[in-house]
Amino acid sequence: NFMLTQPPSVSESPGKTVTISCTRSSGSIATNYVQWYQQRPGSSPTTVIYEDNQRPSGVPDRFSGSIDSSSNSASLTISGLKTEDEADFHCQSYDTDNNVVFGGGTKLTVL
Amino acid sequence: QVQLQQWGAGLLKPSETLSLTCAVYGGSFTDYYWTWVRQPPGKGLEWIGEIKHSGSTKYNPSLKSRVTVSLDTSKNQFSLRLTSVTPADTAAYYCARVSDYWWFDPWGQGTLVTVSA
Repeated sequence: NFMLTQPPSVSESPGKTVTISCTRSSGSIATNYVQWYQQRPGSSPTTVIYEDNQRPSGVPDRFSGSIDSSSNSASLTISGLKTEDEADFHCQSYDTDNNVVFGGGTKLTVL
Repeated sequence: QVQLQQWGAGLLKPSETLSLTCAVYGGSFTDYYWTWVRQPPGKGLEWIGEIKHSGSTKYNPSLKSRVTVSLDTSKNQFSLRLTSVTPADTAAYYCARVSDYWWFDPWGQGTLVTVSA
């Protein structure tokens, strides 16, 4: 099995761009799709990115996802930051046996 | 639009059995897998297990010995049982639908389960 490692926290100012990384410990990041979920305090997670770079309907195009084989990481980029984007973000993937793996989560502060 | 609504006991004593149910409203029940995820207070998400419409299950190896996920297709519901709970099982528990490539969406509203003597 593998682990997904995220930075515990990131912060940036409104209007700026922030990138959250999700590094896979073993095996290629490109082998299995990565999802990203946003979780506001006291709420259930909601999807912002699925299948590496797809946005569900209703998610603004300020949110984008990508993978980088050279660093074996997935990234979530949020541009034009708004205070309402402040939340925890979780990456998620699965292994060859279809066991699901989550990253530890990243707290985004918009200040 | 699919909605998931979950319920179950929120306070348990050590060694008791956790039992939660999730009802699916709208959309197809038999075309998807269904899953449970938990989140200890202040921590990240942990996958518990999933069930296919056929009734076939798959569990997190770390919880496999204590977990059972079942479904009732007549009621469009699926359930979670976790036996011999300890304070380490204190968490918010979520149900969710599994789409292609293990994308979880939507999620239920969550149930906080506290295990305390």
